[in-house]
Amino acid sequence: KQEVTQIPAALSVPEGENLVLNCSFTDSAIYNLQWFRQDPGKGLTSLLLIQSSQREQTSGRLNASLDKSSGRSTLYIAASQPGDSATYLCAVRNSGNTPLVFGKGTRLSVIA
Amino acid sequence: SAVISQKPSRDICQRGTSLTIQCQVDSQVTMMFWYRQQPGQSLTLIATANQGSEATYESGFVIDKFPISRPNLTFSTLTVSNMSPEDSSIYLCSVYRGPGELFFGEGSRLTVL
Repeated sequence: KQEVTQIPAALSVPEGENLVLNCSFTDSAIYNLQWFRQDPGKGLTSLLLIQSSQREQTSGRLNASLDKSSGRSTLYIAASQPGDSATYLCAVRNSGNTPLVFGKGTRLSVIA
Repeated sequence: SAVISQKPSRDICQRGTSLTIQCQVDSQVTMMFWYRQQPGQSLTLIATANQGSEATYESGFVIDKFPISRPNLTFSTLTVSNMSPEDSSIYLCSVYRGPGELFFGEGSRLTVL
């Protein structure tokens, strides 16, 4: 059974700092991995999708990497801003017919 | 991306009552997914709603408690029946688009007193 772990559970950084959020998964035979952002009390916004054949994806100040063999993904946020404050969720899909399995998220606070 | 509208966005309900949440998608999809997010927790899949057939429920979720309708390819409803305070959660509708990317609605925040 796939399990997804995100470390740290919470993180507080000053504005402008570069930071890394970590995601690990137990079953490396994945179909894809997706990073989401969730603002308090709201739905999820898709940030990046990495297919199993890819090593990384970039969108603006965000870069996500995938190392299937070690069961890890990282989300890199460059030059953090207070507007980046949110919970970041990692989710893994094992095949095209299985649902996403979510981690518990990392709650990020960027202090101005 | 996908435009997914959910109603209600939030509600406060009394114990023992039922609430139906609606999900409308901007274009036709085969499968729609209903998730629950309990306070301070991550997301758990409740069921997959397929048009023209019964929903497929995940372990721990049953049709009597969470009946789902899927009358067409752009709409689904989830009912939370005989509610208790433990049902207080955010309920989220989602669909896949493109190369397997999952998109979510804004969620329906339910508080049961």
